[in-house]
Amino acid sequence: AQSVTQLDSQVPVFEEAPVELRCNYSSSVSVYLFWYVQYPNQGLQLLLKYLSGSTLVKGINGFEAEFNKSQTSFHLRKPSVHISDTAEYFCAVALKAAGNKLTFGGGTRVLVKP
Amino acid sequence: GAVVSQHPSWVICKSGTSVKIECRSLDFQATTMFWYRQFPKQSLMLMATSNEGSKATYEQGVEKDKFLINHASLTLSTLTVTSAHPEDSSFYICSVNRDSTYEQYFGPGTRLTVT
Repeated sequence: AQSVTQLDSQVPVFEEAPVELRCNYSSSVSVYLFWYVQYPNQGLQLLLKYLSGSTLVKGINGFEAEFNKSQTSFHLRKPSVHISDTAEYFCAVALKAAGNKLTFGGGTRVLVKP
Repeated sequence: GAVVSQHPSWVICKSGTSVKIECRSLDFQATTMFWYRQFPKQSLMLMATSNEGSKATYEQGVEKDKFLINHASLTLSTLTVTSAHPEDSSFYICSVNRDSTYEQYFGPGTRLTVT
């Protein structure tokens, strides 16, 4: 079975500073990778996804992530954060051979300080 | 992205009663929908996969007789929490899968509080 680990449960960061959210996964088969953002009391919104091709994926709101197969990682980065980026961020994987079921990491709470 | 609605957005019920939550795909027809629950400050846990016209597939540890799922049409799936207890209080979120893609579109969630 696959699993997803988000190494940081909380990340405080100052406005306009860069941020990196770490995500590692374990799976014996090929996976698709996703990052979602959840604002308070809302559902999830897709930031970006990796299905195939270039390992550097650009998403919405200035976020990007890099797929590293050898390290089984899919870290999310943003060079300069805004107050509005304060939210919960979830990394998720789906097995290519098992339909579209997602397995989520534990989440990372980003708190952007002025 | 696609629009997915959930109703109600917030419900309080008494212990022992049943509550129905609706999930609607407003932009496209979906043969597959997913139901998740999320406890405060925790991640999403997949409860079941809802398949239009057939029985739902439940994840291990989820009581199918307690969490009844009906996917009667290509745009509507319902989750009924039967004989609710305080431990069922949670945030329930549905998602819709667009066929032939691996992207899921999430509803805004329903907060259930059982007193």
